[in-house]
Amino acid sequence: AQSVTQPDIHITVSEGASLELRCNYSYGATPYLFWYVQSPGQGLQLLLKYFSGDTLVQGIKGFEAEFKRSQSSFNLRKPSVHWSDAAEYFCACRYGGATNKLIFGTGTLLAVQP
Amino acid sequence: DVKVTQSSRYLVKRTGEKVFLECVQDMDHENMFWYRQDPGLGLRLIYFSYDVKMKEKGDIPEGYSVSREKKERFSLILESASTNQTSMYLCASHRVRGYYEQYFGPGTRLTVT
Repeated sequence: AQSVTQPDIHITVSEGASLELRCNYSYGATPYLFWYVQSPGQGLQLLLKYFSGDTLVQGIKGFEAEFKRSQSSFNLRKPSVHWSDAAEYFCACRYGGATNKLIFGTGTLLAVQP
Repeated sequence: DVKVTQSSRYLVKRTGEKVFLECVQDMDHENMFWYRQDPGLGLRLIYFSYDVKMKEKGDIPEGYSVSREKKERFSLILESASTNQTSMYLCASHRVRGYYEQYFGPGTRLTVT
């Protein structure tokens, strides 16, 4: 079955440190890939997306993600984390074909230490 | 900017009540979705709609129904609320062409007592 895996449930980083959140998907072809962020009590906001082309994509709030076909991964990165980045992050995939559905990972909760 | 609004941010209902959650989007999107979000389980799709009066079951439709009488509005109905339906409910929409990114509302936190 198609799936999205975020292996880290909870991550804590210090403010100013770099960040990498992991995401793996199971699919033979290239899916549409997304990263969303959810602040406490809020809906999800799109950070960035990938379908084709340059495998390093830039998003909002200084985030970027790299698609690696060989590893079936789409990891999210930020060079220097700010306290306001504390939130939950979700990776999602839309697989090809007629479906319009996204499959979401279970999320990674990011805490930022001062 | 796309705007997706949900009728209530917080809702408390009693077991057995009929509950309506409303979602409205203002960007003429064809597709609309209802998810529930629970800790450790991520987002799970309840129902989605790809056109007015058209709907399709998602992964966890049991205990829920939906209605889409107008393109901009998608309602989730809990026919007889139960305590295991206490959750955060998120509505989303997207247009058919493009990258298919979904735009989300702020969510409704429903508590069934």
